[in-house]
Amino acid sequence: QQQVRQSPQSLTVWEGGTTVLTCSYEDSTFNYFPWYQQFPGEGPALLISILSVSDKKEDGRFTTFFNKREKKLSLHIIDSQPGDSATYFCAASRGANYNVLYFGSGTKLTVEP
Amino acid sequence: EAAVTQSPRSKVAVTGGKVTLSCHQTNNHDYMYWYRQDTGHGLRLIHYSYVADSTEKGDIPDGYKASRPSQENFSLILELASLSQTAVYFCASSVDRYSGNTLYFGEGSRLIVV
Repeated sequence: QQQVRQSPQSLTVWEGGTTVLTCSYEDSTFNYFPWYQQFPGEGPALLISILSVSDKKEDGRFTTFFNKREKKLSLHIIDSQPGDSATYFCAASRGANYNVLYFGSGTKLTVEP
Repeated sequence: EAAVTQSPRSKVAVTGGKVTLSCHQTNNHDYMYWYRQDTGHGLRLIHYSYVADSTEKGDIPDGYKASRPSQENFSLILELASLSQTAVYFCASSVDRYSGNTLYFGEGSRLIVV
């Protein structure tokens, strides 16, 4: 079964708008949550990550939020650009094996000019 | 810049045939991984390795074998390819297994089993 659920499956926003992607999980032992960005024909690349001891991490136009009580995380992209059009994956890992990642099913983002 | 290269980038295989996907990294990383990507499922871990001559099972190891003959090379082997193994396969490497550790992915190998 999918350990990390991601929504929406696809999303279109206008250039300059704010994009919000969300993920949820059940296993409370997960404590590391990276987001990966994948362009067509390429492998995923790390975009931003957060540990469960934090509730927010910001990197330029990208911010990830973590809600431990609700077991949810989100990725916000402000001032979305056409170059942000890609598929975004949230992931989770735990304990002694932070590198063993469980990925969500991905959100395909299209930013229209 | 991290470099993970996969070969072949694309392959058509017949059902029941043997397929070997190869991965080479020049990052001097200890950990290497094979993931499978299917539409609607994201990426799922097949096998990984943290040292040469040793491999570990991931979430979906059935029907796959892995081989790590050296730190730089990691292969995924499908002894009897099946239609359900049609997918895009990604190799990745990482320095270690600790938090903040980035996985560096290759460009993927598209496998079609007919």
